[in-house]
Amino acid sequence: NAGVTQTPKFRVLKTGQSMTLLCAQDMNHEYMYWYRQDPGMGLRLIHYSVGEGTTAKGEVPDGYNVSRLKKQNFLLGLESAAPSQTSVYFCASSSIPGQGYEQYFGPGTRLTVT
Amino acid sequence: AQKVTQAQTEISVVEKEDVTLDCVYETRDTTYYLFWYKQPPSGELVFLIRRNSFDEQNEISGRYSWNFQKSTSSFNFTITASQVVDSAVYFCALRHSGAGSYQLTFGKGTKLSVIP
Repeated sequence: NAGVTQTPKFRVLKTGQSMTLLCAQDMNHEYMYWYRQDPGMGLRLIHYSVGEGTTAKGEVPDGYNVSRLKKQNFLLGLESAAPSQTSVYFCASSSIPGQGYEQYFGPGTRLTVT
Repeated sequence: AQKVTQAQTEISVVEKEDVTLDCVYETRDTTYYLFWYKQPPSGELVFLIRRNSFDEQNEISGRYSWNFQKSTSSFNFTITASQVVDSAVYFCALRHSGAGSYQLTFGKGTKLSVIP
C-alpha cells in the first residue's frame, strides 16, 4: 500500500516550458488536491477534485490546469512555467466526509523555474 | 473567511524539555475540523491528529497532547520530554464541514528544533 505517490520528485524548467506532475493514490479516495508550499507561506490549495472527471479551483489556481480522468490519478499541468511557480508541490487525497476528513499527502515535487 | 495563526515561527528547546506549539484559528462556522501535521526535514507531511468542533476533550498520544479550547479559538500542541526526532515544522490546519468545504486552511507553520 503505497499511499500517495508523486512523479517526478525534482524538476528544473526554463521559463515558458510546460510540464505535468502526476499524483497517484491507492486508497480509493474520492477527493484529491494539489497544494504548493512556499517559504513562510504554509500550504496553499491550487486545485482539487471531488471525484473522477471533476475539478475545481482552489486559492491560487492561476497558471495551472488539472485533470482527473481516473479516480486514482490527479494531474497538475503548467502550460508556460514562470519563475513565480518555483515551489514544492504536494498532492493529497482524502475519503468522503463521514469517513474522516484528514488528507494524506504525497512526498512532494520540488520544481525550480529558471 | 477562515484563518489559522501560528504565531511562533521558530522554537528551540533542549532535549527532554516540554514545548507547546500554539494555534489560533478564526472561523464563522459552528462545525469545523482542526488538524495538526508534522513535516520533518525529509519533507513529507505526516498527519498527527484531527479534532472536530463538537469534541473539546483534550487528547494524549504518548508524548503528544492537544488542548482544544473553543472559548479562545485555540488548538495547542504540547510535546512532553522532547526528542531530537521531534525536530520538524508543525502545521495547524482548519477545515469547515459545510458543502463544498474541501479546502484545508493551513497556518504558516512552527519550526521546532530540539537540541541534543
